[in-house]
Amino acid sequence: GAVVSQHPSRVICKSGTSVKIECRSLDFQATTMFWYRQFPKQSLMLMATSNEGSKATYEQGVEKDKFLINHASLTLSTLTVTSAHPEDSSFYICSARDSGEYGYTFGSGTRLTVV
Amino acid sequence: AQSVTQPDIHITVSEGASLELRCNYSYGATPYLFWYVQSPGQGLQLLLKYFSGDTLVQGIKGFEAEFKRSQSSFNLRKPSVHWSDAAEYFCAVGAPGGGNKLTFGTGTQLKVEL
Repeated sequence: GAVVSQHPSRVICKSGTSVKIECRSLDFQATTMFWYRQFPKQSLMLMATSNEGSKATYEQGVEKDKFLINHASLTLSTLTVTSAHPEDSSFYICSARDSGEYGYTFGSGTRLTVV
Repeated sequence: AQSVTQPDIHITVSEGASLELRCNYSYGATPYLFWYVQSPGQGLQLLLKYFSGDTLVQGIKGFEAEFKRSQSSFNLRKPSVHWSDAAEYFCAVGAPGGGNKLTFGTGTQLKVEL
């Protein structure tokens, strides 16, 4: 079946630095990927929709200059958290559309801790 | 706009007992409905989905869900729970033709007592 690899699984960074999270579709091409953020004991909140070769579409309230999304190829989307602060600490999950309508595969997530 | 409500934040069941997790949705027409499971620190795995047709949907790991339009519900069931079913369960809704964007409920944490 379809596999999405998300890397790193955990990252700790200092406040003010930037962190890049990668999301790769391993055995299929994904024209559309999604980035979610999940706070402890809460649901997933969609941050942005990433389309290959075009600018990402951000959800209302998400700072696009802070959360930079790049989808340069059909198998890779990246999320860069710029000038990270402790309040950016969260669990970030990507998903890739693999087949048909609402056919998704999720990555295993990245736990970001900003100290 | 679509929304999803999972009324139960936590549920505890004994191993071997039956399980029902509740999900109610709000949408103007018949939405696409999903149940996902998430183990700690992991991504989401699709258990089952409903687009149309038979309102009783069979999924993986012995789970099933029933779409009830009159109640705007899509409850998840399993006749006999295993200890390995302990996880977080999310119901989600999508609008047909709605750009493939999912709206998730707040989740139900399932604990299984041995």
